[in-house]
Amino acid sequence: QVQLVQSGAEVEKPGASVKVSCKTSGYTFTDSYIYWVRQAPGQGLEWMGRINPNSGGTNYAQKFYGWVTMTRDMSISTAYMELRRLRSDDTAVYYCAREGGGSYYFDYWGQGTLVTVSS
Amino acid sequence: QSALTQPASVSGSPGQSITISCTGTSGDVGDYNYVSWYQQHPGKAPKVMIYEVSNRPSGVSNRFSGSKSGNTASLTISGLQAEDEADYYCSSYTSDNTLVFGGGTKLTVL
Repeated sequence: QVQLVQSGAEVEKPGASVKVSCKTSGYTFTDSYIYWVRQAPGQGLEWMGRINPNSGGTNYAQKFYGWVTMTRDMSISTAYMELRRLRSDDTAVYYCAREGGGSYYFDYWGQGTLVTVSS
Repeated sequence: QSALTQPASVSGSPGQSITISCTGTSGDVGDYNYVSWYQQHPGKAPKVMIYEVSNRPSGVSNRFSGSKSGNTASLTISGLQAEDEADYYCSSYTSDNTLVFGGGTKLTVL
């Protein structure tokens, strides 16, 4: 069965960086885009960007350009999202999700990774 | 890209039907049939309920249906049940080759 398993919760200081991993299994990693979505406490979903695991090509939401980097390691079917220069309002649950059928929707999600930014 | 517009909350009694709207622009909802809907219970990851405007993934109840007219997409839940109480989000592909979410709608089953 398809699974996306994310790395554990992180606590970082303002100005630091965080790198969240998303290990996939149960399907061919290079067949589907991986997306990253975040959700601040009590807030809605925010689309951050996506990566093509086959080519490594990325699309980022304009807000995150120069600030986020999405990568992948095909050898271990894992995607990564690194966010730099963290601020307190980056405190959120970060989700990875698999694109379904090339149709810009998310059919499987990771369990989420809570990133807390606090001095 | 601005967020899609959803009502903050809707409510209904068991057995009733409710509709949640999702209004965008000609650069997203109006131009593309890549609108999807997600259900999220507290503390859980979202779950896709509708994709490509009106398609239901296997395993999702046929009480959930989707439609679109112009720049507005809609999610209808018929035969409301207690377990439908959750937050609902719409999403659309955009002309910038990005995706955008709605602000979310809290559904209360009275």
